[in-house]
This record gives sequence, C-alpha cells and structure tokens, in this order.
Amino acid sequence: DTAVSQTPKYLVTQMGNDKSIKCEQNLGHDTMYWYKQDSKKFLKIMFSYNNKELIINETVPNRFSPKSPDKAHLNLHINSLELGDSAVYFCASSPGTGRGEQYFGPGTRLTVT
Amino acid sequence: AQSVTQLDSQVPVFEEAPVELRCNYSSSVSVYLFWYVQYPNQGLQLLLKYLSGSTLVKGINGFEAEFNKSQTSFHLRKPSVHISDTAEYFCAVSEPGGYQKVTFGIGTKLQVIP
Repeated sequence: DTAVSQTPKYLVTQMGNDKSIKCEQNLGHDTMYWYKQDSKKFLKIMFSYNNKELIINETVPNRFSPKSPDKAHLNLHINSLELGDSAVYFCASSPGTGRGEQYFGPGTRLTVT
Repeated sequence: AQSVTQLDSQVPVFEEAPVELRCNYSSSVSVYLFWYVQYPNQGLQLLLKYLSGSTLVKGINGFEAEFNKSQTSFHLRKPSVHISDTAEYFCAVSEPGGYQKVTFGIGTKLQVIP
C-alpha cells in the first residue's frame, strides 16, 4: 500500500515539450504539495493545495501549472520545458498545514535535453 | 520569516561512532521543528518532530534531537551509527497557525565509514 505515489518515476524529454507528472495519496490528507529538488539536493516548495484550493504559490514560472481534481490527487503540468527544469520533483501530503509531518512520494526525475 | 541553517554540508563518521548534525533556525514566533532523512533515490521520510512539550525528542532508527530555544537550535544525534544511516538529513521548520509552509534546510550528507 503506497501512501504517496507519483508517475512517472523517470521522465526524459526535449526542450520545448510539454509534460505532466501525476500524484496520488491514499492517506486521507487534506493538503498536498509539489517540491523541486535540484542537483545540490536543495528542496524548494512550489505549490500547495488544501482541499483542492491553492494555498501556497511560490515564485515559479507560469509554465508550471498545478491541478487538483480532488483532495487525493495533485498533478503538475509543465509547458515549454527548459534545461533548467531538470530536477527531481516530489509530491507530498500532510494532514494539516505546517503542523504535522509531510509524507513524500518517491520522486520523479525529470531530465530535459 | 522563518529560516533554517544546517551548518555542515557533509559529515563523515566511522561506523559505531556517535554523530551530531547541527541545525539552527530563525523565527519571530514559536516554531515546529522536524528532521527528515532521504536515502539515495528515495523521497524524504520523517525522523522526528518537535511540536511542544519535552525538549528532548526521540525518533526512529535510534535518533534523537534536542530543542534549545535560547540557542535556537535543534541538533540531531545518534550514539552509534550504522552503515545504513548513510543518507541526506534535512532540518525543517514551520510556524503554527494558518496555512504555513515548511521551510527546509539545505541538507547534511552523513557518510558512515566502515
């Protein structure tokens, strides 16, 4: 029983393409997140949704668009991919915002060539 | 605004030796503090958390951390490390109330030497 799952695990694509990453959690949590981890392991929050409502929207290029069809799912769509988008993208969920622990997915390694 | 400083980017330590990974935070209000571990090619996993109460917090895999408000620190310790503890460790902070985000430190790579 995977708590937070992401698909795909690896994504290799060319500059200019559009791609999506999907995330699902079966923990019954209200809040979900997208993080970007760069090659130096720095973890930066991108977006957060609480019950399908966008609550955190960090300074991220508008080529990145999150979408939460229901509170168990949070997808990330990226338009016009650039070399600098290469990173590991993590989805996470938590029962509340800022108080409890976050449960992370296994990550999606995106490589843009 | 909250921030986290992890003072060491890498910590090499021999197997069965003790280890301390340092974390300092900055916040204008009370805080919640966390340590996460990331094994190679995996997501982050919570080791332990401080929300309130006792300042000594015990976590999984024999780790513990002590919240020190006067020194604004939350250092992670283990009395005897194993090879399997080799991983990246992240300190994180959040502020209670409302929709507060969690801010992560830059991580400390713990390398256990056989």
